[in-house]
Amino acid sequence: GAGVSQSPSNKVTEKGKDVELRCDPISGHTALYWYRQSLGQGLEFLIYFQGNSAPDKSGLPSDRFSAERTGGSVSTLTIQRTQQEDSAVYLCASSSRLAGLRETQYFGPGTRLLVL
Amino acid sequence: AQSVTQLGSHVSVSEGALVLLRCNYSSSVPPYLFWYVQYPNQGLQLLLKYTTGATLVKGINGFEAEFKKSETSFHLTKPSAHMSDAAEYFCAVSAPGTASKLTFGTGTRLQVTL
Repeated sequence: GAGVSQSPSNKVTEKGKDVELRCDPISGHTALYWYRQSLGQGLEFLIYFQGNSAPDKSGLPSDRFSAERTGGSVSTLTIQRTQQEDSAVYLCASSSRLAGLRETQYFGPGTRLLVL
Repeated sequence: AQSVTQLGSHVSVSEGALVLLRCNYSSSVPPYLFWYVQYPNQGLQLLLKYTTGATLVKGINGFEAEFKKSETSFHLTKPSAHMSDAAEYFCAVSAPGTASKLTFGTGTRLQVTL
């Protein structure tokens, strides 16, 4: 597609349930990032994948959060045993492998997660 | 380690007036600097970026920003505000490299009044 896409756009779940959020990066982009945007914490980095390298997981807030990227393209962010404080907008971004463009991240529209 | 400070969580200007959104950064290495805009219920859109070279960078929608190393600042300006500029603006910093996470400021909500 032309841009980064994310699904679902909105997700309502009950406390304690697991959720999966999906990100489709721009075709050919080798780097993929997850961020979280919440009222209390602003925009926070969660995790990023760069090609076949080990992901940088330094931003994941707890071991309930995990992410994978299959085939170097689509990524899934999984939150286990959701808590109310996980309510936020989860943003995905990707960036190109091309020199001069690698530093520019293109963002998807986000998934709005509400944990009841 | 890097950090970004955006002074003023809310800024209100009249249509046609100068827009000035402030951003100061802290970085242990020469930074890459970005401004993103977020319209309601949408993702982030890149306005402009500074990596190397000319310190005055021009972006989309008539915005520009100047990298001032001595002041560790990257303020965003637009000579004449338009109603359509009303949105939230985020300043961000990353470390130079092939790919690097962004560290964002807390954002400034710009209101444009008639």
